Amino acid sequence: DAGVIQSPRHEVTEMGQEVTLRCKPISGHNSLFWYRQTMMRGLELLIYFNNNVPIDDSGMPEDRFSAKMPNASFSTLKIQPSEPRDSAVYFCASSFSGKETQYFGPGTRLLVL
Amino acid sequence: ELKVEQNPLFLSMQEGKNYTIYCNYSTTSDRLYWYRQDPGKSLESLFVLLSNGAVKQEGRLMASLDTKARLSTLHITAAVHDLSATYFCAVEKGGGADGLTFGKGTHLIIQP
Repeated sequence: DAGVIQSPRHEVTEMGQEVTLRCKPISGHNSLFWYRQTMMRGLELLIYFNNNVPIDDSGMPEDRFSAKMPNASFSTLKIQPSEPRDSAVYFCASSFSGKETQYFGPGTRLLVL
Repeated sequence: ELKVEQNPLFLSMQEGKNYTIYCNYSTTSDRLYWYRQDPGKSLESLFVLLSNGAVKQEGRLMASLDTKARLSTLHITAAVHDLSATYFCAVEKGGGADGLTFGKGTHLIIQP
């Protein structure tokens, strides 16, 4: 299996620009998670989906962040407008109905200048 | 609010020694995860502990869970340099298929 796929792997953008991060979960997995990792705050859950439905978005920092999962094999995390404090590594993870571990993608390293 | 605390946060040890990393969490949960992260890399799943008293071992690493004490341990036996990494414990907020709350991680350096 290819594992969780994320794109882009690196993104450098300027403050105020829109950023879209993409994730393809492992085939057959029905839970998808977005996390953010920074030195200051560690690993934080942003939002997760079960069967393509958002379940808990309480970790989404503000209205500038939005996430969608239009089908079982694709999710996006959008930041509009981006700010320097959004600079972080964003991980996508997937699992099968919580019956096993969450498998993490390689991450997207975002730098907002 | 679920809180997960690891200690120590930083550990430098010599090869061949044994040591234990501790993970405490604040609310009831029956699922605890251990992950490994190498610098600049993603998180690699090590163990999933699903019930009180669960013990799992893989090579020089052994993890255990005491849900009554809300405590998990990751024990390293006869450490080798390749085990140098950051180790995270994480707890599910709900009963399954739920997001994880992570500890701050234990940065482990194993010196020859």
